Amino acid sequence: LAKTTQPISMDSYEGQEVNITCSHNNIATNDYITWYQQFPSQGPRFIIQGYKTKVTNEVASLFIPADRKSSTLSLPRVSLSDTAVYYCLVGEKGGSYIPTFGRGTSLIVHP
Amino acid sequence: DVKVTQSSRYLVKRTGEKVFLECVQDMDHENMFWYRQDPGLGLRLIYFSYDVKMKEKGDIPEGYSVSREKKERFSLILESASTNQTSMYLCASSLTRTGGREKLFFGSGTQLSVL
Repeated sequence: LAKTTQPISMDSYEGQEVNITCSHNNIATNDYITWYQQFPSQGPRFIIQGYKTKVTNEVASLFIPADRKSSTLSLPRVSLSDTAVYYCLVGEKGGSYIPTFGRGTSLIVHP
Repeated sequence: DVKVTQSSRYLVKRTGEKVFLECVQDMDHENMFWYRQDPGLGLRLIYFSYDVKMKEKGDIPEGYSVSREKKERFSLILESASTNQTSMYLCASSLTRTGGREKLFFGSGTQLSVL
């Protein structure tokens, strides 16, 4: 099972771009990389998923280098409402995908 | 939109009680999961199910059991609640097993306090 490593916390200010990097050195060939966002007192919600290169949607961008040993979630021009915990998930376990969350990255956006 | 409904938002129980946490999804998803979340520890997987009447242990199954008699409903059971089971419990579902491309949909969570 590929393990992930993310910073425990990050601080930013409104209007800035925020990049959160996740390391997954043991990622397997078939693994996708999925990011979730969790606000206080709510369940996580899916925000973006990718396999290689770059993926962009209305919420974020996901950058994955060629070796796929890391990925970077990019949030453009953050606002106070982007304050949340962000989780990076990868991994298959014995051929079965078992979604395993780490501690995530707590992002605090300041005025 | 997928809806995952957890029966209670807040629950207070006494030590030794049998506790049922119910979760229902409305999108015919095959997979359902129970996690608990404690401050500083992220989400930890308790049990999951890929089909009706099927269950598999996650990372922390001790003290818990589950039941999936119908596809849409996945119940978490605390046979004899203890204070160390005070936690936020989150249920999730996903459509199919697609080799890591699954997207989880979560309920709002049940904050359980065991006194």
